[in-house]
Amino acid sequence: QKEVEQNSGPLSVPEGAIASLNCTYSDRGSQSFFWYRQYSGKSPELIMFIYSNGDKEDGRFTAQLNKASQYVSLLIRDSQPSDSATYLCAVSFGGTSYGKLTFGQGTILTVHP
Amino acid sequence: DGGITQSPKYLFRKEGQNVTLSCEQNLNHDAMYWYRQDPGQGLRLIYYSQIVNDFQKGDIAEGYSVSREKKESFPLTVTSAQKNPTAFYLCASSIDVAGGAYEQYFGPGTRLTVT
Repeated sequence: QKEVEQNSGPLSVPEGAIASLNCTYSDRGSQSFFWYRQYSGKSPELIMFIYSNGDKEDGRFTAQLNKASQYVSLLIRDSQPSDSATYLCAVSFGGTSYGKLTFGQGTILTVHP
Repeated sequence: DGGITQSPKYLFRKEGQNVTLSCEQNLNHDAMYWYRQDPGQGLRLIYYSQIVNDFQKGDIAEGYSVSREKKESFPLTVTSAQKNPTAFYLCASSIDVAGGAYEQYFGPGTRLTVT
């Protein structure tokens, strides 16, 4: 069973701080890694994806991938109250999986003013 | 205006009835997926389809059925055999962005309540 694990939180950070969200996965054959943000009652929206080791930056968001250690993280700089949401890590195992994603259970982030 | 639509947004059914959830996309994506989300949980894959007239079971397909007669449409039927059908159902479609890396986008979801 391919697994994706996230700390469920909640993670609470003050406004303006860096929020760090972590995700580990069990299958070394995993190829692509995605971070989604989900507001309460809404559907997930794609923030970033990464498939090469290292960092990928997009605005206030940075995704970090370490395939040797089998973890992927998401940093949110200058956190805002509007970043308060559940963050879902998702992993694609490549091959003939045709983009199937396995999701972690999500980390609840609260940014307080 | 491109996107994924799901209807209805809220659906109420009596136990023992089959119900069909609609999913339509005009993004010209080949692959489509159905997920289920329970409170406080991540998403679990029900069915997925890579091309028209072909689909595969996901991790929790029992009690569900799908069809893919058109590229744009991937309806999900929740049958009376599904033991715990009350959940938030999400449809997604995807495009290959990097030789096997698929970016997956979600519709707004249908919240099904069965009593």
